[in-house]
Amino acid sequence: AAGVIQSPRHLIKEKRETATLKCYPIPRHDTVYWYQQGPGQDPQFLISFYEKMQSDKGSIPDRFSAQQFSDYHSELNMSSLELGDSALYFCASSLVPDTLSGNTIYFGEGSWLTVV
Amino acid sequence: GESVGLHLPTLSVQEGDNSIINCAYSNSASDYFIWYKQESGKGPQFIIDIRSNMDKRQGQRVTVLLNKTVKHLSLQIAATQPGDSAVYFCAEKKTGRRALTFGSGTRLQVQP
Repeated sequence: AAGVIQSPRHLIKEKRETATLKCYPIPRHDTVYWYQQGPGQDPQFLISFYEKMQSDKGSIPDRFSAQQFSDYHSELNMSSLELGDSALYFCASSLVPDTLSGNTIYFGEGSWLTVV
Repeated sequence: GESVGLHLPTLSVQEGDNSIINCAYSNSASDYFIWYKQESGKGPQFIIDIRSNMDKRQGQRVTVLLNKTVKHLSLQIAATQPGDSAVYFCAEKKTGRRALTFGSGTRLQVQP
């Protein structure tokens, strides 16, 4: 079965540079989520999109932005990178019915970002 | 073996024993809960979910119990195997939101 695809898997950037992560959700899923997980930490929710519109906002820094495109893939743009941005970034997707009832959220394998 | 809430970050059990991982969630308005398994360097893998109108759900070798009175969630793994070694997270979805909030993980170590 198709899963959530993230690219790149590994990325090394210098401080103050920019980085872009891409996410391709499971086919027919309409909601995409971005999470950040630091070493030894639990995943922290950043932002989500439903039908190309931002649906929830978590602890995403102002230096970060994201969007969902017409083909439902999403990109997370990170600017003015700081050492503390080094983390594993996960994208997840789900198919959400109208009632906002629970629906399984599936995660990709993540993109490792190292800021040096 | 059993963990006491998530204040005990590591649970060590013998192969073949049953494991119980506990989670105290924060929001009484949460209506959906999921347990994820995460192996080192990989994404969280769905194990089992439960809606707030249920108090128990069983899967293959796993059972999730929900006690809304004390806002407690537990994951029971029967006949634990070495392949079950990983970090386990509980996650909750608050009513009206789509995103999940993760709790702190518990590392399960299975001794052969």
